[in-house]
Formats: sequence, structure tokens, C-alpha cells
Amino acid sequence: KQEVTQIPAALSVPEGENLVLNCSFTDSAIYNLQWFRQDPGKGLTSLLLIQSSQREQTSGRLNASLDKSSGRSTLYIAASQPGDSATYLCAVRGGATNKLIFGTGTLLAVQP
Amino acid sequence: DVKVTQSSRYLVKRTGEKVFLECVQDMDHENMFWYRQDPGLGLRLIYFSYDVKMKEKGDIPEGYSVSREKKERFSLILESASTNQTSMYLCASSWDRYQETQYFGPGTRLLVL
Repeated sequence: KQEVTQIPAALSVPEGENLVLNCSFTDSAIYNLQWFRQDPGKGLTSLLLIQSSQREQTSGRLNASLDKSSGRSTLYIAASQPGDSATYLCAVRGGATNKLIFGTGTLLAVQP
Repeated sequence: DVKVTQSSRYLVKRTGEKVFLECVQDMDHENMFWYRQDPGLGLRLIYFSYDVKMKEKGDIPEGYSVSREKKERFSLILESASTNQTSMYLCASSWDRYQETQYFGPGTRLLVL
């Protein structure tokens, strides 16, 4: 059964710092991996999607990497801003069920 | 822009009531999904649909049913609400079953008393 783990559960950094969020998964047979952002009480917004054949994707200050063989992904946020404060979720599609399986998220607080 | 809307942001119901949660998407997406989100458990898939009148069980379908009579609308039904169904309910849709991202609605926070 696919399991997705995100560490740390919560992170607080000062504005301007570069940071890395981690995601690990147990079954490497995935179609893709996605990173989402969720603001308090709101739905999810897709940030980046990495197909299984890709190693990384970039969007603005965000860079996501994927290492299928080791079952790991990282989301790198450059020059963090208070507006980046949110919960970040990773999700993998594939494995035995081909469903989207979510991690429990990392709550990020960027202090001004 | 893709838009996924949910009928209510907040809902309070009593134990035993029948509850309808509605989701509408405006992008002609084939696929629609219902999740619930609980602290420490993350998002869990309740039901999904790959076509009109088609439905498949997700990981936690017990106590729920769904209806998809039109392509743009996917309804989640709690036949007899219970307190353990108090949760945040999120609807999502996508065009492609395997490759594309899912677009999420704003969520419905349901409290069952």
C-alpha cells in the first residue's frame, strides 16, 4: 500500500530564507507526483506536477525534484515571503491503485 | 481558469439527517472526485467518477454515496449523518485520468451534531 510522508510537519522561517520541504513515498511505481498549496480553510492549489520520467519542475521561486528510485521528492522555495505561509501537500499517483495518495502536509510559516 | 464550486462553505447538520454536498465544474472535465480531510490523516478519497452515471469507490466509501447525472455535477450524499463524518469535504476534477493535475473546490466544512 502506497504511503506518503512529509517531514517536517511544521516549519517556521524568517522572511528571505531559502527552504526545502520533503516528501517520501513507499512505492516507486508512480505516474507522477504533485505539490499543492492549501491556505487555511481553503481548497488545494496545484503548484507543480512532475511526471515519472522527469527529474524536476520549476515555477518562479519554486523548484520540485523527484527521485523515484529512492522514493523522495523535495520542494525548494527560494527567497521565502510571508505570502508563502500555507500548508504544502505532496501527492503521488500510481502504484497498485493509480489513485492520488496525499501526505499529511507541512505547515509553513514565514515570519516578516 | 478552471472553476470548481461547492454548494456550501459551512454546513451544520444533526445526527441521522440526510446530507447533500454538491460540486460543479465548468471545464468539461471527465473525472470528478470527493475527498475528506481530517487533521493528522490528510486527504482520503471517498468516491470518484470517470464518466456520467459512473462511480467507483475510493478508500473510505462507507456511509457515503454519490450521484453523477450530468457531466459537470458530482454530488456526495450522507444517507444518515453521524458525528464521525464531521470533516472538511473537498471536491476535485481533472481532464485526464492519469497525467494531469486535479483542480480543487474551496471545500465544505461539515459539522454533525
